[in-house]
Amino acid sequence: EAQVTQNPRYLITVTGKKLTVTCSQNMNHEYMSWYRQDPGLGLRQIYYSMNVEATDKGDVPEGYKVSRKEKRNFPLILESPSPNQTSLYFCASSSGLAGGPNTGELFFGEGSRLTVL
Amino acid sequence: AQKVTQAQTEISVVEKEDVTLDCVYETRDTTYYLFWYKQPPSGELVFLIRRNSFDEQNEISGRYSWNFQKSTSSFNFTITASQVVDSAVYFCALSEETDSWGKLQFGAGTQVVVTP
Repeated sequence: EAQVTQNPRYLITVTGKKLTVTCSQNMNHEYMSWYRQDPGLGLRQIYYSMNVEATDKGDVPEGYKVSRKEKRNFPLILESPSPNQTSLYFCASSSGLAGGPNTGELFFGEGSRLTVL
Repeated sequence: AQKVTQAQTEISVVEKEDVTLDCVYETRDTTYYLFWYKQPPSGELVFLIRRNSFDEQNEISGRYSWNFQKSTSSFNFTITASQVVDSAVYFCALSEETDSWGKLQFGAGTQVVVTP
């Protein structure tokens, strides 16, 4: 079954304690990205990756890091979480082929709800 | 600046009523894609539809229909004969040619509440 898997789904942590949210996709997609969802703001892109070892900032990258060492995995790292990073996080992947039948269509994970105290 | 505007924060209807969700977008690209996603109370994001900028034909899928009008930069979504299962947050999103194709810019979402 084609899917994007995120872990953990729920996490409560404290300010400054490093954490990693993992993301894995089994569709051989080149494009992966992270979004955060906040009330009244919709989803905003944090980071994206066009392929292995190719990552770039989205609209709200401050406080986050990512890596793309393998095509299927795209972890989100919070080196020193702060309360303003309390949010619902979504990982997404796409074939990214411009003009292809699935152009722009993102496949989302189920979301990871993070609370930073 | 927000490129996708969903002015309606919440819409409440009684079952069987029709509900229309507004979406206005802003882009300078001639090639772009518009999307609607549904987020039910369980939290996952469900893809509903994608339209490209060259196809202004309206679309109907069951009780769902979409009205794309480039002249007014709008891509509105109508649920006909709403049901309680339609209760969700609905997001409109834009993907632009000059941006990475995989990047979607989302509106703030519209919460639809359907009561029996």
